[in-house]
Amino acid sequence: DVKVTQSSRYLVKRTGEKVFLECVQDMDHENMFWYRQDPGLGLRLIYFSYDVKMKEKGDIPEGYSVSREKKERFSLILESASTNQTSMYLCASSVAGTGRETQYFGPGTRLLVL
Amino acid sequence: QKEVEQNSGPLSVPEGAIASLNCTYSDRGSQSFFWYRQYSGKSPELIMSIYSNGDKEDGRFTAQLNKASQYVSLLIRDSQPSDSATYLCAVSNTDKLIFGTGTRLQVFP
Repeated sequence: DVKVTQSSRYLVKRTGEKVFLECVQDMDHENMFWYRQDPGLGLRLIYFSYDVKMKEKGDIPEGYSVSREKKERFSLILESASTNQTSMYLCASSVAGTGRETQYFGPGTRLLVL
Repeated sequence: QKEVEQNSGPLSVPEGAIASLNCTYSDRGSQSFFWYRQYSGKSPELIMSIYSNGDKEDGRFTAQLNKASQYVSLLIRDSQPSDSATYLCAVSNTDKLIFGTGTRLQVFP
């Protein structure tokens, strides 16, 4: 079974703090993704990575950065957390290919920024 | 215009009925289509994928794709209360997925 794990299920941070969200997958997947999910807005892609040390901006990268130093690990960084970054953050992974590959999601991190 | 559109619902159906969930998309170059189920407080999980026009059946689930009309649907036969969840339509022509906002399905006994 594919397993995608995220470092925290719930996180409470203060405005201005630097926040690290970590994601690890155990299936040797090339592709990894970070989404945020908000009511009425659905899942929106923040950043994705097709390979180690490679990153691409998604639809809403502002205020975020990412790091992929190892194939199995993809970190999302909020440089200076703001209240509008309160959200559910979901990590996903998939094999590389033709676009037909399933994305497998982690359990999510619910982040509250006060 | 949103790239992937779904009716937010809720769609309420009685137990044993057929639930029909619909999705339209704007990018004619889209090649792959997915239906994910998301229970409240949980992460999405894949139910069905479809790539060619027509129907694809898997147990109680049938996905239908019409690329000319840019329309994909999910039918759930013999709906059960355990099917109550939000169903997300996702569309891709690369390794990236574009998600709809989801349709909430409620199956009542």
